[in-house]
Amino acid sequence: DADVTQTPRNRITKTGKRIMLECSQTKGHDRMYWYRQDPGLGLRLIYYSFDVKDINKGEISDGYSVSRQAQAKFSLSLESAIPNQTALYFCATSGQETGLQYFGPGTRLLVL
Amino acid sequence: QKEVEQDPGPLSVPEGAIVSLNCTYSNSAFQYFMWYRQYSRKGPELLMYTYSSGNKEDGRFTAQVDKSSKYISLFIRDSQPSDSATYLCAMEGDSSYKLIFGSGTRLLVRP
Repeated sequence: DADVTQTPRNRITKTGKRIMLECSQTKGHDRMYWYRQDPGLGLRLIYYSFDVKDINKGEISDGYSVSRQAQAKFSLSLESAIPNQTALYFCATSGQETGLQYFGPGTRLLVL
Repeated sequence: QKEVEQDPGPLSVPEGAIVSLNCTYSNSAFQYFMWYRQYSRKGPELLMYTYSSGNKEDGRFTAQVDKSSKYISLFIRDSQPSDSATYLCAMEGDSSYKLIFGSGTRLLVRP
């Protein structure tokens, strides 16, 4: 079984809709991250969480919110989706000892 | 100027060639350096990591860090078609464990 899972894997939605992307991990890591990936721009950090009570904004948090429901679960919400949020979204985790991050398979989001 | 620069490619080589992938960076505080491999429609997979300067070898892969030049490299020996992917370099930005990624180099190994 995959250590980091993301649901859904693909999603098409309309402008203005609220959507949630979910991430679960079985690696036992405390730290979790949400990134988006756009062609030519690489991976950009949206939010990160070092434990259930510690959530921090990344470089591109506007238009997004997150919830850390448990050590193993970290959700990303788009409150009112817009077309320029069309991207590939990745969840990642890391342990406390190193900064090595392990990624999920990604969610491909299309906002019409 | 981006903190981490990486040539997007694509880089096309014949099977068996030695591949050199590179990144330059501007922040001298970076200490951890990583390479990720990403196949089409998949998540990035951690390939190798090094701490500070020096070389690290793992099978056909060698990661090299030159902190004096702010330059890191990934060498792939005896490249295979299965190595065709996008390779992302990443560096630890500070003690908070946030990684800074390059934009990725797309590699194509022709049979």
